[in-house]
Amino acid sequence: KAGVTQTPRYLIKTRGQQVTLSCSPISGHRSVSWYQQTPGQGLQFLFEYFSETQRNKGNFPGRFSGRQFSNSRSEMNVSTLELGDSALYLCASSLSAGELSYEQYFGPGTRLTVT
Amino acid sequence: ELKVEQNPLFLSMQEGKNYTIYCNYSTTSDRLYWYRQDPGKSLESLFVLLSNGAVKQEGRLMASLDTKARLSTLHITAAVHDLSATYFCAVDPRDNYGQNFVFGPGTRLSVLP
Repeated sequence: KAGVTQTPRYLIKTRGQQVTLSCSPISGHRSVSWYQQTPGQGLQFLFEYFSETQRNKGNFPGRFSGRQFSNSRSEMNVSTLELGDSALYLCASSLSAGELSYEQYFGPGTRLTVT
Repeated sequence: ELKVEQNPLFLSMQEGKNYTIYCNYSTTSDRLYWYRQDPGKSLESLFVLLSNGAVKQEGRLMASLDTKARLSTLHITAAVHDLSATYFCAVDPRDNYGQNFVFGPGTRLSVLP
């Protein structure tokens, strides 16, 4: 079974620009979560989508948004990029049903650098 | 505010030695996960602990969960260099907070030959 895939893997953007990252979950997984990882703040939860609806949201500004498509693929968008948005963005998928449903499987991440 | 703490944050140990990493959390939860991350890589799932008293072992690593004490441990037996990585615990507080995983700060383990 193929794992979680994320594209692109590396990205360099300029302050003020916007960026869209993509995540394809494991086949059959309906929940997709996004995390930001930085050396200073560690791993922080951005949001979770399930069946095309945002189910949970972390404490990030409105510049961070996301969506999920009917095939469970998800995108996250960051508008008006700031230097502090430089991070590794990780996507995780899970089944979201049943006792082991919340186990999350992580993709390789997208390394975003804002200059 | 839900907090997840790990101790120690940095660990340098000799090959062949034993050590324990501790993960404390501030909410009631019976779902705790351990992940490993190599430099520049993503998170690899190590253990899923879903009830009080759960114990899982894989190779030289053993994880346990005490939900009453809100404590999980990751024990390393006879460490080898290949175990060098950063280890994260993550708590799933969904039943209480309705939010997603909350990760600890990570323990950077370096096993010296």
